[in-house]
Amino acid sequence: SQTIHQWPATLVQPVGSPLSLECTVEGTSNPNLYWYRQAAGRGLQLLFYSVGIGQISSEVPQNLSASRPQDRQFILSSKKLLLSDSGFYLCAWSVHFGAQETQYFGPGTRLLVL
Amino acid sequence: DAKTTQPNSMESNEEEPVHLPCNHSTISGTDYIHWYRQLPSQGPEYVIHGLTSNVNNRMASLAIAEDRKSSTLILHRATLRDAAVYYCILRGRDDKIIFGKGTRLHILP
Repeated sequence: SQTIHQWPATLVQPVGSPLSLECTVEGTSNPNLYWYRQAAGRGLQLLFYSVGIGQISSEVPQNLSASRPQDRQFILSSKKLLLSDSGFYLCAWSVHFGAQETQYFGPGTRLLVL
Repeated sequence: DAKTTQPNSMESNEEEPVHLPCNHSTISGTDYIHWYRQLPSQGPEYVIHGLTSNVNNRMASLAIAEDRKSSTLILHRATLRDAAVYYCILRGRDDKIIFGKGTRLHILP
């Protein structure tokens, strides 16, 4: 069966520090991968998605970036964190695009920028 | 633009059925209706989806109006573990999932 891992589970970082969040998927190949952010009390915002190694689409311009160095690995990065980067970061995967696509979410990383 | 309208919150008693409404008056003929839910401090999880006919699975039922401008997610017997935010989402062929604010469901013991 497929599983999705995210780490770390929680993170407290100072403003201006770098960030690296990792997501890995097991049990499937060539998945579509997604990064979402959920600010406190808000809805989910799609940040990036990837349909293959090295292919990244950005949905919202900001100081974050994403990379997909391997088929089942998706990394979210920042060179300098802002206070507004605090939130709940969720990675998700799917195997089909289109109207019947089902996304499966990881446990998330809760990031607090101080 | 989430393209769907849901009540902000609802309450239900434990062990009773729950009907969560969703309006999507601008739905197109090829849009599927998806439901996800997000339990506290967790990522969303898929619940059910459908196009025109009503759908049932082990988690819930989806009742779709004949004109497809509204739908209802039905939890047949709510438990405390069903307390969550429920998202109703329209998906077209080239659309991405857009999560609106959803309905926060409170279950009363």
